[in-house]
Amino acid sequence: DTGVSQDPRHKITKRGQNVTFRCDPISEHNRLYWYRQTLGQGPEFLTYFQNEAQLEKSRLLSDRFSAERPKGSFSTLEIQRTEQGDSAMYLCASIHGAGSGANVLTFGAGSRLTVL
Amino acid sequence: KQEVTQIPAALSVPEGENLVLNCSFTDSAIYNLQWFRQDPGKGLTSLLLIQSSQREQTSGRLNASLDKSSGRSTLYIAASQPGDSATYLCAVRANAGGTSYGKLTFGQGTILTVHP
Repeated sequence: DTGVSQDPRHKITKRGQNVTFRCDPISEHNRLYWYRQTLGQGPEFLTYFQNEAQLEKSRLLSDRFSAERPKGSFSTLEIQRTEQGDSAMYLCASIHGAGSGANVLTFGAGSRLTVL
Repeated sequence: KQEVTQIPAALSVPEGENLVLNCSFTDSAIYNLQWFRQDPGKGLTSLLLIQSSQREQTSGRLNASLDKSSGRSTLYIAASQPGDSATYLCAVRANAGGTSYGKLTFGQGTILTVHP
């Protein structure tokens, strides 16, 4: 387990379709974050999990977005009825919840969504 | 609401120059500050993390300083190389009751180009 894995790396879809992204965090990391990044901007917080509990959701996360982390391991981010404005890079990050490793957030390579 | 600003937005320098990237934040009640590097189309790589009680951190040719009271951080890159070309992002973690549970707020990044 060498890092945070995200799948797929790139998804092209038509407007109105549903898409799902998966994130596999570093195995001992109990906190998992989702961020969205548009071109030329820094990442924006979407939501985060402590184990399987979703503790915070951004106002950016509309009703069309849902995230889960059913067993406190991998997480999925689903976007329903995609819109062109959803086109972005979706980044997942994980962090250990305690000890000296509790500070450094490790990011995956991201899943790029293009909505046509 | 925390706001993070990075100046300049873009920087182009010849190889070998020393350079400084700036980051400012509006709420000084932070838990820590982290500098990341992002290559085009890729995820984020953590460079340096400074705890709120620290003044600076160093790693190789990189040195990051933090002045929490004035809401500023700088990233100093010595003897720049073409391989340093990337986007550099500053992110502050909110102080959630003295824990590391606060979310990360990013600046928009500085695009650095080092030409031979």
